Amino acid sequence: GESVGLHLPTLSVQEGDNSIINCAYSNSASDYFIWYKQESGKGPQFIIDIRSNMDKRQGQRVTVLLNKTVKHLSLQIAATQPGDSAVYFCAEKEKGTYKSIFGTGTRLKVLA
Amino acid sequence: DAGITQSPRHKVTETGTPVTLRCHQTENHRYMYWYRQDPGHGLRLIHYSYGVKDTDKGEVSDGYSVSRSKTEDFLLTLESATSSQTSVYFCALGALMGEQYFGPGTRLTVT
Repeated sequence: GESVGLHLPTLSVQEGDNSIINCAYSNSASDYFIWYKQESGKGPQFIIDIRSNMDKRQGQRVTVLLNKTVKHLSLQIAATQPGDSAVYFCAEKEKGTYKSIFGTGTRLKVLA
Repeated sequence: DAGITQSPRHKVTETGTPVTLRCHQTENHRYMYWYRQDPGHGLRLIHYSYGVKDTDKGEVSDGYSVSRSKTEDFLLTLESATSSQTSVYFCALGALMGEQYFGPGTRLTVT
């Protein structure tokens, strides 16, 4: 069973549409940001990352945007598919450390 | 992911008993982490290791201890399990840039 979170914010998206998942981070000293995907009953899986000296980074069907002015991170998923249904976490890593702080997550539901 | 395994995958134990969870890697990563995941709290760091016999506390380390006697294995011990330690426990490996790769998790129930 799923134990990630019973009261997570949920984003419902129609299959084929684009998804945008947002995250606010707290530490100005963070130099590295990561998005993870967690499917039911599994461990989080690395999706994409971005360094603090970048504003945008693209992967396969995913794009991460970083706005340091307002400490905001977003994950865009193009042409959302049923397999994208999961909980998505952002994480920030403080410069000089190897520890990450994780957000509480957003549940993405893809509607057929 | 075949490079990181956790054992056991499920465990039910009684309050007051000691419990040890094992994380095993075949990737030769220096950094290893133990997290717990609970509804409403996300992933919280319990302990981490930055090398053999080098460990440090995370944000929720009370009631937990760890050991790393070799690169491949990182053990998490609950000295005397309590019901508040019922959770899903994840081990992770830290890669060069800081991204982490997670194991499949251990679901622990303390009755």
